[in-house]
Amino acid sequence: DAKTTQPNSMESNEEEPVHLPCNHSTISGTDYIHWYRQLPSQGPEYVIHGLTSNVNNRMASLAIAEDRKSSTLILHRATLRDAAVYYCILRSSTSYGKLTFGQGTILTVHP
Amino acid sequence: DTGVSQNPRHKITKRGQNVTFRCDPISEHNRLYWYRQTLGQGPEFLTYFQNEAQLEKSRLLSDRFSAERPKGSFSTLEIQRTEQGDSAMYLCASSSFRGGMETQYFGPGTRLLVL
Repeated sequence: DAKTTQPNSMESNEEEPVHLPCNHSTISGTDYIHWYRQLPSQGPEYVIHGLTSNVNNRMASLAIAEDRKSSTLILHRATLRDAAVYYCILRSSTSYGKLTFGQGTILTVHP
Repeated sequence: DTGVSQNPRHKITKRGQNVTFRCDPISEHNRLYWYRQTLGQGPEFLTYFQNEAQLEKSRLLSDRFSAERPKGSFSTLEIQRTEQGDSAMYLCASSSFRGGMETQYFGPGTRLLVL
């Protein structure tokens, strides 16, 4: 699986936007970019995924660079409940199965 | 839909004992995954089933580990002769795979402490 690189930690204030970056310079043409997050004492949960175009859902937005070598997860208004570890994961469209997690980014949200 | 459930939520055992964990996936999900997570690390894949068939096992899954999904519904993960290094959170996830995009839904995990 292609590797992703994320900052170890980030901080934000409540109700402010948060931009969580992910670098994936070795991404292949068939790799989708997935984001999961893990709240304290819970299992991971799916956030969003995309291939080439930017994506929006009720939880977040995903901005994908034109060369696909990086992406950014955007939380438009952070809440205290968004404090979690955020994982950026590449998944090939030709070989679904296990998720390969890195260490992720620990997001701290200040009131 | 009550989500993925795992039992027990916590388990403390002595080194050398056997332990068994159970995972009940979301009904009608045909795939079931087991992951292990140690403190400060992301989850690591252990094994997964599609219906009753175990399709992939990680090298992390030593001979002391065995997983089953006998009727394609719930699954059990057994660890024999536990070691202190087995202490971790064991996560189960399920998905509905129909040849396209799949989303994995995780349970709350079973936290194992081996003394």
